[in-house]
Amino acid sequence: ETGVTQTPRHLVMGMTNKKSLKCEQHLGHNAMYWYKQSAKKPLELMFVYSLEERVENNSVPSRFSPECPNSSHLFLHLHTLQPEDSALYLCASSPGASGGAWEQFFGPGTRLTVL
Amino acid sequence: AQSVTQLDSQVPVFEEAPVELRCNYSSSVSVYLFWYVQYPNQGLQLLLKYLSGSTLVKGINGFEAEFNKSQTSFHLRKPSVHISDTAEYFCAVSEHTGGFKTIFGAGTRLFVKA
Repeated sequence: ETGVTQTPRHLVMGMTNKKSLKCEQHLGHNAMYWYKQSAKKPLELMFVYSLEERVENNSVPSRFSPECPNSSHLFLHLHTLQPEDSALYLCASSPGASGGAWEQFFGPGTRLTVL
Repeated sequence: AQSVTQLDSQVPVFEEAPVELRCNYSSSVSVYLFWYVQYPNQGLQLLLKYLSGSTLVKGINGFEAEFNKSQTSFHLRKPSVHISDTAEYFCAVSEHTGGFKTIFGAGTRLFVKA
């Protein structure tokens, strides 16, 4: 595997389910990100981890819970979601331990549908 | 606070014609600027970036962009487009403060017609 991978690629869940999204980067990067992409809206930054420490948390509802067990893996745990949470969830990584100038490398995303 | 405005949500253009995708930003500090492209069923990938120096930046696939500080713009151009350039294009801004927050525009859908 190369680059940034995400599993599953598609997920359908009910509002009472618990599920997790997984992201893995094979680039040796120090920072990892979760974004939400909804139609016709800008990407919304949800969480950022740098060197396994959470450094950004953009007022995301508590029904989304991130986990970064090591610098290569990032999870997004989901529970009691709402239909408006349906979107494409993108994971990204960047080389630096501080942000700004670094390019981000994106995975293909998980298409989430909440029924 | 930073913001990014992509002035066109959709741009239809004929193959081999030139194209310009417009991006304006606002920020109270110096910024880094990026253009990303997203093909169907894929994540975003970097086209080009402006960090400092020459205001004309060349990227992959024949794209270029010009940073205009006085107009706070970073428009993307290509002199001759191909069908394969059909995709969503995102302008993005991050501040020189060392933080991780990158602000993305809402995207411009480029549709190249034969």
